[in-house]
Amino acid sequence: ETGVTQTPRHLVMGMTNKKSLKCEQHLGHNAMYWYKQSAKKPLELMFVYSLEERVENNSVPSRFSPECPNSSHLFLHLHTLQPEDSALYLCASSQERNEQFFGPGTRLTVL
Amino acid sequence: QKEVEQNSGPLSVPEGAIASLNCTYSDRGSQSFFWYRQYSGKSPELIMFIYSNGDKEDGRFTAQLNKASQYVSLLIRDSQPSDSATYLCAVRTSGTYKYIFGTGTRLKVLA
Repeated sequence: ETGVTQTPRHLVMGMTNKKSLKCEQHLGHNAMYWYKQSAKKPLELMFVYSLEERVENNSVPSRFSPECPNSSHLFLHLHTLQPEDSALYLCASSQERNEQFFGPGTRLTVL
Repeated sequence: QKEVEQNSGPLSVPEGAIASLNCTYSDRGSQSFFWYRQYSGKSPELIMFIYSNGDKEDGRFTAQLNKASQYVSLLIRDSQPSDSATYLCAVRTSGTYKYIFGTGTRLKVLA
């Protein structure tokens, strides 16, 4: 595997389900990010981890819960989501505060 | 005022022409500037980054930064139909991991 990988690539879930998104970076970077991309809106930064510590946390509903067990892995735990949470969720990594590299994204649909 | 502004387009240029994409930002403390290309249904792909005032060239791409005017641009020379995509401008505030994205400019290169 190279670059940044994300699984699953597509996810359909009901409002009462619990699911997790996984991201893994193979670039040796020390910072990882979660973004949300909705139609006609700019990428929204959700969470940032640097050296496994959360350093940025925008106003994200508590139904989204991040986890960064080590510098290569990042998870986004989802529970009791709303239909408006349907979007493309992108993971990215960077070395320090340099350029970011994105994974392919998870297309999430909440029914 | 939006933090990072881009004209949504579409910007249509004939094949072989120069495409000029513009971005303005509001935070004078911004330190790093990035251009990404995003094809429909795909994730953003880094094209260039620029940190200092002036021009930076990489192949057919030139990034231009003017911090006094809070303006960054991307020039694509010899535009090809394969350059047709949405181009995202991103700005990072000094001392943070906060990357702010514009909504993107859709470029159409006509064969």
